[in-house]
Amino acid sequence: AQKVTQAQTEISVVEKEDVTLDCVYETRDTTYYLFWYKQPPSGELVFLIRRNSFDEQNEISGRYSWNFQKSTSSFNFTITASQVVDSAVYFCALSEITDTGRRALTFGSGTRLQVQP
Amino acid sequence: DGGITQSPKYLFRKEGQNVTLSCEQNLNHDAMYWYRQDPGQGLRLIYYSQIVNDFQKGDIAEGYSVSREKKESFPLTVTSAQKNPTAFYLCASSIGTGLGETQYFGPGTRLLVL
Repeated sequence: AQKVTQAQTEISVVEKEDVTLDCVYETRDTTYYLFWYKQPPSGELVFLIRRNSFDEQNEISGRYSWNFQKSTSSFNFTITASQVVDSAVYFCALSEITDTGRRALTFGSGTRLQVQP
Repeated sequence: DGGITQSPKYLFRKEGQNVTLSCEQNLNHDAMYWYRQDPGQGLRLIYYSQIVNDFQKGDIAEGYSVSREKKESFPLTVTSAQKNPTAFYLCASSIGTGLGETQYFGPGTRLLVL
C-alpha cells in the first residue's frame, strides 16, 4: 500500500469554482508531519503548508484552506474561487521516522489541477 | 536573495557518459537532498547530506554519486551505470533533518539521453 495516496490524478475546473484535493496517508507513528507543495509548469516545488500530527486545527491562508483529520488519515487541501494561476501539480507529503531511524519524506504521486478561464 | 540554484536547466547525456548536475544554496542550510521525478510520479530520494563531508544513500542511489565538500554545494553525478537516467532532478535543502523540517526546492534540471 502507498504511504501517501492522492487518488485524483487530474482535476479540471472553471475559474472561480472551489476545488478540493484529497490526500490520504498511512503511518504507524504517532508523531509525524504532513506537507503540501505546489509545482507550477516551471518545475520548482513551492512549499505551501506544514502540519504536525498533534495539531488538528484547520488552517486558512487566503483562498487556501487545509482540513486535517487523523480519524480518517486525511489532509485535504481546498482552493476557494480558483484562478488560472492555481494551475499546477500539487503534492502531499508525509514526514516520519523509518524503521532504520532515518527521517523520510514520502511524496504522493500528485494531482494536476487545471483551471480554465 | 536567498535560495537554491540548479544548473543547467537542461542536460543531454550520451551513452556511457557521466554527467554532473550542480546545486548551490545560500540559505545557510546544513542539510541537502537530491530527488528524482518521473512523469506522473512523486519524488524519490537519491542521496541526502546532513552536514559537510557526510552523505547517505536514499531509496534509489544506484547509478548516482554525490559529494559535499562545501556547505553551499551538493553536486550530483549521474554515472553510466544509471541505465534509465531520463528524468527531472530536484535539489532541496533544509535547516536540519528533524522530523518537521521543511525542505525548500530548487528549479530543477531536466536530463535527457541522446
